[in-house]
Amino acid sequence: NAGVTQTPKFRILKIGQSMTLQCAQDMNHNYMYWYRQDPGMGLKLIYYSVGAGITDKGEVPNGYNVSRSTTEDFPLRLELAAPSQTSVYFCASSRAEQETQYFGPGTRLLVL
Amino acid sequence: GQNIDQPTEMTATEGAIVQINCTYQTSGFNGLFWYQQHAGEAPTFLSYNVLDGLEEKGRFSSFLSRSKGYSYLLLKELQMKDSASYLCAVEDSNYQLIWGAGTKLIIKP
Repeated sequence: NAGVTQTPKFRILKIGQSMTLQCAQDMNHNYMYWYRQDPGMGLKLIYYSVGAGITDKGEVPNGYNVSRSTTEDFPLRLELAAPSQTSVYFCASSRAEQETQYFGPGTRLLVL
Repeated sequence: GQNIDQPTEMTATEGAIVQINCTYQTSGFNGLFWYQQHAGEAPTFLSYNVLDGLEEKGRFSSFLSRSKGYSYLLLKELQMKDSASYLCAVEDSNYQLIWGAGTKLIIKP
């Protein structure tokens, strides 16, 4: 079991560029999440999904989009990168609510 | 608003005991999680409390008082590898996790 995997590990973007952060899990979990983590702040939920074809906004969704076409994959799309999106992005999955969330290794994104 | 408070940083000695507190004000409560996060790594699950009382798991214990909006994580027999950040997170009425900023624990020999 690889658990939750994320690519890339690190990326530098120019302002206005777009990119997709990939996330995959092999635990057959229904729930998947995208968080960002900024220094000195708690993790903030960007988007989440409770199953294939279902996505919903979290606390900080502006500037991001997601899709969930399969149980395994949950990519996060940044359309027009801004310096405020410089952060570490974590993808996580869980079997259900009130269950442990398992995290991927993270993607460090720098927007210049 | 929703708020989770933890101390920013704590220092303890190898072999000792340390208690990390977490107070919360959230819209609803469906459970409280503690995660450990080493620098540059992902958070990993430590404990989960949904009912009042103490949950013990080896060297780590977690306590919850829902009436006081309070939890603590107790780490015993501290080891150098316990140097990490400890994150408190509350599952609110929408079953979304609200995260504290984390407590950086420094262990000194």
